[in-house]
Amino acid sequence: NAGVTQTPKFQVLKTGQSMTLQCAQDMNHEYMSWYRQDPGMGLRLIHYSVGAGITDQGEVPNGYNVSRSTTEDFPLRLLSAAPSQTSVYFCASTKTSAFNEQFFGPGTRLTVL
Amino acid sequence: TQLLEQSPQFLSIQEGENLTVYCNSSSVFSSLQWYRQEPGEGPVLLVTVVTGGEVKKLKRLTFQFGDARKDSSLHITAAQTGDTGLYLCAGGESGGGADGLTFGKGTHLIIQP
Repeated sequence: NAGVTQTPKFQVLKTGQSMTLQCAQDMNHEYMSWYRQDPGMGLRLIHYSVGAGITDQGEVPNGYNVSRSTTEDFPLRLLSAAPSQTSVYFCASTKTSAFNEQFFGPGTRLTVL
Repeated sequence: TQLLEQSPQFLSIQEGENLTVYCNSSSVFSSLQWYRQEPGEGPVLLVTVVTGGEVKKLKRLTFQFGDARKDSSLHITAAQTGDTGLYLCAGGESGGGADGLTFGKGTHLIIQP
């Protein structure tokens, strides 16, 4: 199993550009989520999904959209990038258990100029 | 809002020394997870503790969940350079997905040869 995969690994955008961060998992996990990690702020939840067709907002959802058309894929869209969205983004899937154990992807480092 | 405070924020010690890092909260959690993150990679789950007073060992790493399930500690014996990384604790609410997980900001650990 590949686990959780993310593409691209690095990306540079100009303010106002749009892009989609891709995330896929092959573990048949129902739950998937997106986090951003910033120095001094820790991991913050952006959006999450409890199954195909169901998404919800996390702690910092503004400026981001998600959809979940299949169990495997959970893309994150930035419609109009801003410098405040410069961060490292992690996708994670969650084993269906009582303990919310997260399996993280390798991350995407995004810089918005 | 549940908060998890980790201490120390940064720790640099020599190879062979012992160390303990702490994860504290005023809230009760149903489970407590520890992750390790290496530079350029996503966090990787080390252990989950679920019972007050529980102690789990992973080679030279010893994890303990407080009796009241509000705090946890990670003790490393005879630290090695390979233990270098960011250690994150995360508290879970029973039955939740990613939205039921609270992350601490982490302890940056550097083991010097």
